[in-house]
Amino acid sequence: SQQGEEDPQALSIQEGENATMNCSYKTSINNLQWYRQNSGRGLVHLILIRSNEREKHSGRLRVTLDTSKKSSSLLITASRAADTASYFCATVMNSGYSTLTFGKGTMLLVSP
Amino acid sequence: GAGVSQSPRYKVAKRGQDVALRCDPISGHVSLFWYQQALGQGPEFLTYFQNEAQLDKSGLPSDRFFAERPEGSVSTLKIQRTQQEDSAVYLCASSFTTGTSYEQYFGPGTRLTVT
Repeated sequence: SQQGEEDPQALSIQEGENATMNCSYKTSINNLQWYRQNSGRGLVHLILIRSNEREKHSGRLRVTLDTSKKSSSLLITASRAADTASYFCATVMNSGYSTLTFGKGTMLLVSP
Repeated sequence: GAGVSQSPRYKVAKRGQDVALRCDPISGHVSLFWYQQALGQGPEFLTYFQNEAQLDKSGLPSDRFFAERPEGSVSTLKIQRTQQEDSAVYLCASSFTTGTSYEQYFGPGTRLTVT
């Protein structure tokens, strides 16, 4: 079963604009990860944020985590056409193994 | 270095046929995961191996699904008597170790279509 819900389901923006995607989840977690999927490169890990972290940056990516609201956001700044892809959040729970529980994803379209 | 590879990339099976999907993880990776991704959905966990031991198979949808990793490297996911609802992309992922804070590296997937 899916752990989380991404919002919005689809997002269409112009190159240079910022894109924000949100993710909500249901259970307590060890960490939350964001992945990108496109037909060319498959599913690729973008960034991991631990449950005791509130914000993390990697290049043009900024991720926030609010464990009290069980939500996370991914911000892509200065978007490029090459950012066009589906973006998934995935959680790892404290108990059990490092199995990823994915949301349904946000489809991002960046137009030149 | 090579990433995770999967074969075949595409498989068409008639309903009732058995299929075998192969995953070659990154060399030296201890953990190996199988996920199933239906069209328009996120991947869903099927099973997890730590080396050759299958430690979690709670996501396998029925006893028609079977996975193995006999020597702790290559893994095979077998689906017996395929049904139309088995049509999906099957993703394999590996991770360097067993900890929770390590990213998983995914293969390109095998797209299975059951007709």
